[in-house]
Amino acid sequence: DVKVTQSSRYLVKRTGEKVFLECVQDMDHENMFWYRQDPGLGLRLIYFSYDVKMKEKGDIPEGYSVSREKKERFSLILESASTNQTSMYLCASRLSDTSNSGNTIYFGEGSWLTVV
Amino acid sequence: GNSVTQMEGPVTLSEEAFLTINCTYTATGYPSLFWYVQYPGEGLQLLLKATKADDKGSNKGFEATYRKETTSFHLEKGSVQVSDSAVYFCALGSGGFKTIFGAGTRLFVKA
Repeated sequence: DVKVTQSSRYLVKRTGEKVFLECVQDMDHENMFWYRQDPGLGLRLIYFSYDVKMKEKGDIPEGYSVSREKKERFSLILESASTNQTSMYLCASRLSDTSNSGNTIYFGEGSWLTVV
Repeated sequence: GNSVTQMEGPVTLSEEAFLTINCTYTATGYPSLFWYVQYPGEGLQLLLKATKADDKGSNKGFEATYRKETTSFHLEKGSVQVSDSAVYFCALGSGGFKTIFGAGTRLFVKA
């Protein structure tokens, strides 16, 4: 089975701290994603990476950056955490699907981040 | 642009009731359509999918048919169980890298 592992399930950070959320997948997928999930807003795409060292902004990239130095690992960085970044963060991966063949996206269990 | 609209929740049903969660979409071209489910405290997982018009996806007693004429992909189950309580997301993939998710519909099933 595909496994997407997020390193931290629950984090509490202070305003202004730099925060790293780590994600590892074990199925050699090209595409990786970071979403945030908020009640009533569904999933919103922060950044995605279609291959190693490649990244593209999603719908809400402000205040975030990402790093993909190895194929299996995709990190989300909050440069200076703010209270409005309190949320559930979901990492996901997928085999490359530029032709829209309907490849499944596999999600991690999520990281609950509280910024105080 | 592409979009997905699904019915607002929460939906509350008694065990063995019939379930329908509506999902409609707007897209150019020929998207793939998905239903993902999120159980409490977990990430999302694929429930079923359909990649072309008139395809029916099915899994665990759930079904959805890709209807291009009505741009819909409604989720149905004939007899729900308490263990089906979760949040259900309709999603659309239409070329490139982005998948668009609906806002999610929370389902509560009472014993």
